[in-house]
Amino acid sequence: QSVLTQPPSVSGAPGQRVTVSCTGSSSNIGAGFDVYWYQKLPGTAPKLLIYGDNNRPSGVPDRFSGSKFGTSASLAITGLQAEDEADYYCQSYDSSLNGYFVFGTGTKVSVL
Amino acid sequence: QLQLQESGPGLVRPSETLSLTCTVSGGSISSSNYYWGWIRQPPGKGLEWIGSVYYSGSPFYSPSLRSRVTLSVDTSKNQFSLRLTSVTAADTAVYYCARAPHQHFDFWGQGILVTVSS
Repeated sequence: QSVLTQPPSVSGAPGQRVTVSCTGSSSNIGAGFDVYWYQKLPGTAPKLLIYGDNNRPSGVPDRFSGSKFGTSASLAITGLQAEDEADYYCQSYDSSLNGYFVFGTGTKVSVL
Repeated sequence: QLQLQESGPGLVRPSETLSLTCTVSGGSISSSNYYWGWIRQPPGKGLEWIGSVYYSGSPFYSPSLRSRVTLSVDTSKNQFSLRLTSVTAADTAVYYCARAPHQHFDFWGQGILVTVSS
């Protein structure tokens, strides 16, 4: 069971703004460890969307942005497009149990 | 362009050992800047980190899998490998290998489906 909790699903109409939350604890996000976000399309490998809380790798549209506050993080998608329909996962590091990487539970973003 | 490719059997019997290899091309696995990791996704479920390893060794593992997992590196072949012992149906998943520049994963293999069944 993941220690990073995400809503199972969020949805929005084309052009709208949606956010995906990622709730952790004092041993991961709240401890200041970086948060990363991945986009997962069916049958394909995850794609890094955001690194270091709020940085986009080259090639990722600026419609995607990340933020972090306290023990939580968020991914925002502005100007939602049909191609954004996918699963999204947050990821961080947890310092308990000798330290390990942890993924969020995943969120399905649907474009209405 | 860096590429990673998983290989290994697609079917493993219960209680046996799952063995996968990730071949890295377009870059050296011996780079001091990266760890190399394995992540899996069971059907209909989320992503799960299995473990990561540096080119010179020093693997670290998911607490939930630590007792059954071994990661290793073969720098001469530019490969790293995963061994998971005593598998059950719960280990059925798509297994991905990936490069880890820090505490994340930036380049991924395409994934390989491993089914545990008799």
